Amino acid sequence: ILNVEQSPQSLHVQEGDSTNFTCSFPSSNFYALHWYRWETAKSPEALFVMTLNGDEKKKGRISATLNTKEGYSYLYIKGSQPEDSATYLCAFPSGGSQGNLIFGKGTKLSVKP
Amino acid sequence: GAGVSQSPSNKVTEKGKDVELRCDPISGHTALYWYRQSLGQGLEFLIYFQGNSAPDKSGLPSDRFSAERTGGSVSTLTIQRTQQEDSAVYLCASSLRGSAPYEQYFGPGTRLTVT
Repeated sequence: ILNVEQSPQSLHVQEGDSTNFTCSFPSSNFYALHWYRWETAKSPEALFVMTLNGDEKKKGRISATLNTKEGYSYLYIKGSQPEDSATYLCAFPSGGSQGNLIFGKGTKLSVKP
Repeated sequence: GAGVSQSPSNKVTEKGKDVELRCDPISGHTALYWYRQSLGQGLEFLIYFQGNSAPDKSGLPSDRFSAERTGGSVSTLTIQRTQQEDSAVYLCASSLRGSAPYEQYFGPGTRLTVT
């Protein structure tokens, strides 16, 4: 059974702090790793799809890195803002190159002004 | 352009009744997925449609759950004889193709409460 683990489960930071969270996934038969951001009462929003070992992607103050050999990805947020408060999910394809995603339970980030 | 839409946004039903949840995917997306999130749990896969292929039903929790996708577009998830453990947010997503690197675009969800 494929398992996607995320840590920490929750994080409380002050506005302006930089933070990072971890996603661990099976390192064999890697095809892609997805990061999503899910704000309360909204739809999950795709942040990144990462496919290459060593990949680094950036969107504004948010960036992510990927290590497929050891099976982990880091998500970084630089200078956290209250609007960054959300649950950050990573997901791994269940059936190799096709099909549904298996999601981690997420890291819930709260940024206090 | 229009995103994924779902209806209803909220549904309260009595235990034992049947419910239907609807999903309108993004036009042109060949893959459609249903997930749910129960209280305190992560997103759980239910069923996946890819083009005209037979759906992957491996995530359906019981035979009370079924789904269809008509004309490669709109999908309906049906739960028969609802139970309290069916209470959850049901999310639909679509993607351009069903393969791994394609982003899945999620709808706003249907919050189902079984009383």
